[in-house]
Amino acid sequence: GDSVTQMEGPVTLSEEAFLTINCTYTATGYPSLFWYVQYPGEGLQLLLKATKADDKGSNKGFEATYRKETTSFHLEKGSVQVSDSAVYFCALIPSNSGYALNFGKGTSLLVTP
Amino acid sequence: DTGVSQNPRHKITKRGQNVTFRCDPISEHNRLYWYRQTLGQGPEFLTYFQNEAQLEKSRLLSDRFSAERPKGSFSTLEIQRTEQGDSAMYLCASSARLGQGGAYEQYFGPGTRLTVT
Repeated sequence: GDSVTQMEGPVTLSEEAFLTINCTYTATGYPSLFWYVQYPGEGLQLLLKATKADDKGSNKGFEATYRKETTSFHLEKGSVQVSDSAVYFCALIPSNSGYALNFGKGTSLLVTP
Repeated sequence: DTGVSQNPRHKITKRGQNVTFRCDPISEHNRLYWYRQTLGQGPEFLTYFQNEAQLEKSRLLSDRFSAERPKGSFSTLEIQRTEQGDSAMYLCASSARLGQGGAYEQYFGPGTRLTVT
C-alpha cells in the first residue's frame, strides 16, 4: 500500500541552523502530501500540505516541495528556533482513497540555544 | 470555534473492562476520523464517518473495537474486553466536506491516552 518513509531522529541542531527532514513516499498516482507537527504535550497540528506535483507548501518559515520525479517531500527551514523543538510527521492521503492519512514514524527535532 | 475536543484525556482501566471515548469535531466539519498512536510511531488510521455514515471500518483493529456517530455530530469509540496491547493514544480528527477549500485538511484533537493494567 501507499506509504511514507522519513529520516530517523533524533535530530539535534543549534538555534539558527538550517533544517532538512527527509521524506520519501511510495504511492500509485498522485497522493496528497502533508507535514504535521506535534509539540510536547500537545496534539497533532497541520504544518503544511501539497496536493499536486511541483506544489510548494509553506507555513511558519517551513517549506516542502512535492517532487514527483524523486517521490519526495522534504521539510526545510532556513533558521530554526528553540520553539521548533517537536516531533514532525510526514503523511499522505492516497489518490485512490481520499480519506485515510498514512503517517511516517516521525522525526524528533531538538533545537538548543 | 474551539477545535476538535476529546474526552476523557486520560483513561486507566483494568484488563477485560470496556471503555468508551468521545470526540466532538469542529462544528462545520462533516467528516470524522479515528486514529491510534503507539509510542514512537505515527498515527494509524482506524475508521471514518461522513455525517452519520461509517464509510470505512475494515481497519478497526479487531471486532472488540467499534465506533458510532449517531447524529452526525459527536462520535464515540468503544473498546470491549480491553487488553494490555490496547494501551495507546486514541486520536480523533475532522475535516470539511469535499468541494470546499481545504477539504483534505484533517484537524486533530488532543487525544485520549488509554492505559490498560
